[in-house]
Amino acid sequence: DADVTQTPRNRITKTGKRIMLECSQTKGHDRMYWYRQDPGLGLRLIYYSFDVKDINKGEISDGYSVSRQAQAKFSLSLESAIPNQTALYFCATSEAGRYLFGPGTRLTVL
Amino acid sequence: AQSVTQPDIHITVSEGASLELRCNYSYGATPYLFWYVQSPGQGLQLLLKYFSGDTLVQGIKGFEAEFKRSQSSFNLRKPSVHWSDAAEYFCAGLDTGRRALTFGSGTRLQVQP
Repeated sequence: DADVTQTPRNRITKTGKRIMLECSQTKGHDRMYWYRQDPGLGLRLIYYSFDVKDINKGEISDGYSVSRQAQAKFSLSLESAIPNQTALYFCATSEAGRYLFGPGTRLTVL
Repeated sequence: AQSVTQPDIHITVSEGASLELRCNYSYGATPYLFWYVQSPGQGLQLLLKYFSGDTLVQGIKGFEAEFKRSQSSFNLRKPSVHWSDAAEYFCAGLDTGRRALTFGSGTRLQVQP
């Protein structure tokens, strides 16, 4: 099994819909992250969490919220999706300088 | 602010030629630096990382990178490129406050036969 899994892998939704992207990890890492990737912009940090009770905003948190349901699970929500949130979303975990990335979720907002 | 910059958006090299991808960093203290590769439709794979010590770092797939403090650079190199190296390459630095990686904008590598 993969160390970091993301569901769904692909999602098409409509403007105004609420959508949740889920991330699970099997490494037991405390730190988890959500990034979005846009062409020409690289990956930008949306939210990060050092443990279940410690959640922090990243560079581009507006329009997003997160939930750390357990050490292994970190979900990203778009309360009311808009087209410019169309992107590739990555979840990541880290421990001791080692960063593991999930396979990504491609989200399209029409 | 801590940041990494990749000056080249797109590079084309011939198969068998050498490769150097540029990365410049802006960090106050000794930076922790990484190179990742993303093949088309794939996730991110770590090529190598630098934390301290020897400034020439060896990675997977025949890649290496050299940390040069005087030039604030961490360029990625490969002596002979293979067609399978066509991908997007990202340089990243560790934001020590957030314990999160800050990425450059990426360089897309195209390999000509």
